[in-house]
Amino acid sequence: DIQMTQSPSSLSASVGDRVTITCRASPGVRNDLVWYQQKPGKAPERLIYATSTLQSGVPSRFSGSGSDTEFTLTISSLQPEDFATYYCLQHNSYWTFGQGTKVEMK
Amino acid sequence: QLQESGPGLMKPSETLSLTCSVSGGSISSSSFYWGWIRQPPGKGLEWVGTLFYTGSTYYNPSLKNRATIFVDTSKNQFSLRLRSVTAADTATYYCASGNTFDVWGQGTQVTVSS
Repeated sequence: DIQMTQSPSSLSASVGDRVTITCRASPGVRNDLVWYQQKPGKAPERLIYATSTLQSGVPSRFSGSGSDTEFTLTISSLQPEDFATYYCLQHNSYWTFGQGTKVEMK
Repeated sequence: QLQESGPGLMKPSETLSLTCSVSGGSISSSSFYWGWIRQPPGKGLEWVGTLFYTGSTYYNPSLKNRATIFVDTSKNQFSLRLRSVTAADTATYYCASGNTFDVWGQGTQVTVSS
């Protein structure tokens, strides 16, 4: 089984801040890594796939990087609509979600 | 578009049946993968299982062989059955398409309670 460890579980930030969320995979998953954003009461929405490919319509302040065992989601300048919970997903071997990171307003 | 439907409230030991209706394209050709994901109240996302277009199915081992996913092409929908439910199966259940779950339904709440 592939284990996904996402950190932090929550963070407090202000509008304009740079935010970084990390997912670690064990064993490695090549670049088969996806990031989602979920707002309360809504289904998750795919933000990034194949580690770094931005979903159409997603603002360019979101970016993904990494490979194999360590991946990062970065929001370069946090906007009010970005306060949400973020999840990573590996699909290299079956499917496994990270535990989620709740981005809250400081 | 994807739309889940289900019973809402169930009793322990019953079998959960959920359906995901696919609109805007044929289920036979619009995606290779069709999946189910669930989210217990206040918790994170958990992959339940996935159907590949060949008919192959993959399930989360944590479900201990209780899950079955199958497709009904005549109705353009796919379904999840989960046997012997307990309170731990209480969750919002989502259906999604694609290997990377690029399209999701809105979710359907399932509560297991005696």
